Parts: sequence; C-alpha cells; structure tokens
Amino acid sequence: TQLLEQSPQFLSIQEGENLTVYCNSSSVFSSLQWYRQEPGEGPVLLVTVVTGGEVKKLKRLTFQFGDARKDSSLHITAAQPGDTGLYLCAGAQPGANNLFFGTGTRLTVIP
Amino acid sequence: NAGVTQTPKFRVLKTGQSMTLLCAQDMNHEYMYWYRQDPGMGLRLIHYSVGEGTTAKGEVPDGYNVSRLKKQNFLLGLESAAPSQTSVYFCASSYARRGYTFGSGTRLTVV
Repeated sequence: TQLLEQSPQFLSIQEGENLTVYCNSSSVFSSLQWYRQEPGEGPVLLVTVVTGGEVKKLKRLTFQFGDARKDSSLHITAAQPGDTGLYLCAGAQPGANNLFFGTGTRLTVIP
Repeated sequence: NAGVTQTPKFRVLKTGQSMTLLCAQDMNHEYMYWYRQDPGMGLRLIHYSVGEGTTAKGEVPDGYNVSRLKKQNFLLGLESAAPSQTSVYFCASSYARRGYTFGSGTRLTVV
C-alpha cells in the first residue's frame, strides 16, 4: 500500500495543452515536495510546500498543498516538450527522518 | 559544484557476488539516504543516516548494509547479490528534512 498515490500514472498531451497531476494520501504531512526526473538522471527538486492551502508558482507550473495537508496538485499551463519527464511527489510526516515518495506521473509532451 | 556523486554508474553482478556502491556529497549535508527505484514501485528507502557514524533501516533494508564513517560518504553494500536486487539505486543528501539532492544513479543488474 502506497502512502502517496499519484494520478494519472501516465499522461500524453500535445504541446500547448494544460494539465494537472494529483498526489493524494489519507495521512497528514508536515511538508510536501515535487520533483521531476528525466531518463538516466536522479530526481530534481522543483518546490516545497509547507502550509495548508499554500500555492506556489514556478513559471508555468503551479503547485498547491491541500487545506488539510493530505494532498497536493501540480498544474502545468501551455505544456512544452521540455516538460516531459517523471513527476514525483514526496511527503514528510511529522517526526519522521525521511520522505515518502509517490509512484510518479510519467508525462510526455508531443511537439 | 559536484553535489552528489555515485559510483559506479553501471554494474553487472552474478548471483552471490558482493559489491559496494559509493556515494559522496560536497554540500556538508547531515542527512544521507539510499533508495532503489523499480518500475511501478516508485522510490523505496533502503537505509538512511542522520549524521556521521549513524545509520538506520528504511522500508526495504534486507540484503543491504550501509556505513557512514565520514560525513561526506555513505556506502551501500550487497553481501550476496540476488536477482531481486536488480534495480536503479539512488543516493540523496539533505540538510535536515529539506529538499533532497540526488545523485544520477547506479544501474545494477544481477544475473
């Protein structure tokens, strides 16, 4: 049983379209992070959200942390081929020394 | 600015052989982690360390041992490799539980 469920697992869209990926849990997290991983490389941190309801923007990417701190979403506006990759969410539970990772959403943006 | 360096990048082992994966970070991070990444399973924590001389078990520690003799290095050992240990291994480091910096991975095949 995964602590963090991501959906969809796979997403293939045309360049210029918008998309949203979700990260859900029944557990509360003190913070949640989003990473992007490209083939043959390790994940790279995109953002950390720590406050329930928090919204952060990174260019065309918008991240939101749920009010109850159990879920998060990543919205990409006008997707580009460079956005292609595996998107991972990761949560820090209170008192734990490590992050728990979701299984990821594999995004392909077709030119 | 090397960040996190993993060696080797690729390795093929025969069942029963042993090996050590090396991880070095130059960011003076206290926390270091070893994860394995398998299709459909996401990143699963093997062992981690919260400081020099300390180690702790993660989600999937069986068949692996670790050592953190120096703050900048975290070693992952396989004493008797099994085909189930075929995977991509990632090392990461962090300052406390903030964003992780990952290495580029070691692709291990056990035949």
